[in-house]
Amino acid sequence: EVQFVESGGGLVEPGGSLRLSCVGSEFSFTHAYMNWVRQAPGKGLEWVGRVKSKTGGGATEYAAPLKGRFTISRDDSKDTMYLHMNSLRTEDTAVYYCAADKGDCSSGTCTPVGMDVWGQGTTVTVSS
Amino acid sequence: DIVMTQSPDSLSVSLGERATINCKSSQSFNNNKNYLAWYQQKPGQPPKLLIYWASTRESGVPDRFTGSGSGTDFTLTISSLQPEDVAVYYCQQYYNSPYSFGQGTKLEIK
Repeated sequence: EVQFVESGGGLVEPGGSLRLSCVGSEFSFTHAYMNWVRQAPGKGLEWVGRVKSKTGGGATEYAAPLKGRFTISRDDSKDTMYLHMNSLRTEDTAVYYCAADKGDCSSGTCTPVGMDVWGQGTTVTVSS
Repeated sequence: DIVMTQSPDSLSVSLGERATINCKSSQSFNNNKNYLAWYQQKPGQPPKLLIYWASTRESGVPDRFTGSGSGTDFTLTISSLQPEDVAVYYCQQYYNSPYSFGQGTKLEIK
C-alpha cells in the first residue's frame, strides 16, 4: 500500500526548532513533487511549501509568510522529505501533512494537478 | 497571491438531495486550463483528492461528485447526498505558487 508516514512533531517552546520527516513506502518517491500542508486546530488547510523532484529541477517553493523560517529538503536515497522549522511561533501550532502531487502526463509533459497521496500527519505544538 | 473564496461556509442538505459548493478565484488562470482541485476531508483524516482540472474525477471517486466551472468561478456538486459525504470540502488552485486553498465548506446532513 502506498503511504507516507510523518514524524518529528511534538511540543516546542516559542523560538525553538523542529525537523519533521516524511517517509514514503511503496511509492515512486524519486519522481514526485512533494508538499507540506498544515492545519491549525479547528481551521482549514494551509499550503506550506513544495520541493520538486530532482528531474524537475529540485526547486523549493514556500508560502511567503514562512519563507526564511521553514526549509524543505529531500533525500531520495531514503525516500524521505524534511521540513526544517526555525523560530517557531504559537501560530505554527498545527497538524503537518506531507502530500505528493499527482502528475497528469496525458499531454506528453507531466503537470502537477493536486495532491493525491497524503500522510496521516504529525502534530506540532508551540507553547511555553 | 491568488485568493480562493468558498461559499457557503457551511451547508445542510437532506439525504438524497443535491449539494452545491462554490469556489471563486481572485484571478483567472491562463493557458485555457482550469488549475483547480477539490478535496474532501473527514474528521481525523487527511484530505482526499476528488477532482482536478476543475472537472476530472479522481479514480475511485463516485460519479455523484461533479466539478464544473471555468475562469474564476467553480462548483462542486454532489448529486444525491449520502451519509458518508459528511465532510469539509476544500478547493485549491495549483496555477501559481503559493498553491492556496479555499477556507473550506462544512457539509452536514439536515
